Amino acid sequence: GNSVTQMEGPVTLSEEAFLTINCTYTATGYPSLFWYVQYPGEGLQLLLKATKADDKGSNKGFEATYRKETTSFHLEKGSVQVSDSAVYFCALRVGGGADGLTFGKGTHLIIQP
Amino acid sequence: GAVVSQHPSRVICKSGTSVKIECRSLDFQATTMFWYRQFPKKSLMLMATSNEGSKATYEQGVEKDKFLINHASLTLSTLTVTSAHPEDSSFYICSASPLRRPNNEQFFGPGTRLTVL
Repeated sequence: GNSVTQMEGPVTLSEEAFLTINCTYTATGYPSLFWYVQYPGEGLQLLLKATKADDKGSNKGFEATYRKETTSFHLEKGSVQVSDSAVYFCALRVGGGADGLTFGKGTHLIIQP
Repeated sequence: GAVVSQHPSRVICKSGTSVKIECRSLDFQATTMFWYRQFPKKSLMLMATSNEGSKATYEQGVEKDKFLINHASLTLSTLTVTSAHPEDSSFYICSASPLRRPNNEQFFGPGTRLTVL
């Protein structure tokens, strides 16, 4: 079956620190990979995605590269801000938009000023 | 654009009663809507996939008679938790896939917190 494993939090960093949240996956097919972010009291929002190997998704200073050889999609940001505090979910989808997503457990990120 | 709403945002009910949760795509038509369940400190688990005008497809282990899904239109899907019990208490989240962008992202609702006493 399909599964996503991501580092569990909470992850606490100081403002302007470098961020890495690890994500690895197993999939029966050739998945698309996603990072979603959930701010307090809000629904999940797509942060970035990649649909094929070596693709790099990026948004709001966050980046993640689809690594087929290591089945990974680690999320990085060079300098985090307090406003980045949220829960981050790594997810995959095998197939098109008519297929549901398989999520990791989520990583709670806390950025201290 | 691409806003998905859920109603209610929170609901508390007595054991044995049924609860209906609505999921609406406000500014787009959705080919497919999805229902997820989120346990504390756990990932979102896909419960079922619903397509307008057809029966929902349930994931393994999800009781279709307990979690009734109706996708009456391209903008509305409902999840009814029948004869709710405390173990059904959870955070229920829907998402919708736009009609004209079937391979694009899913847009998520803000979720509904169900507490069964």
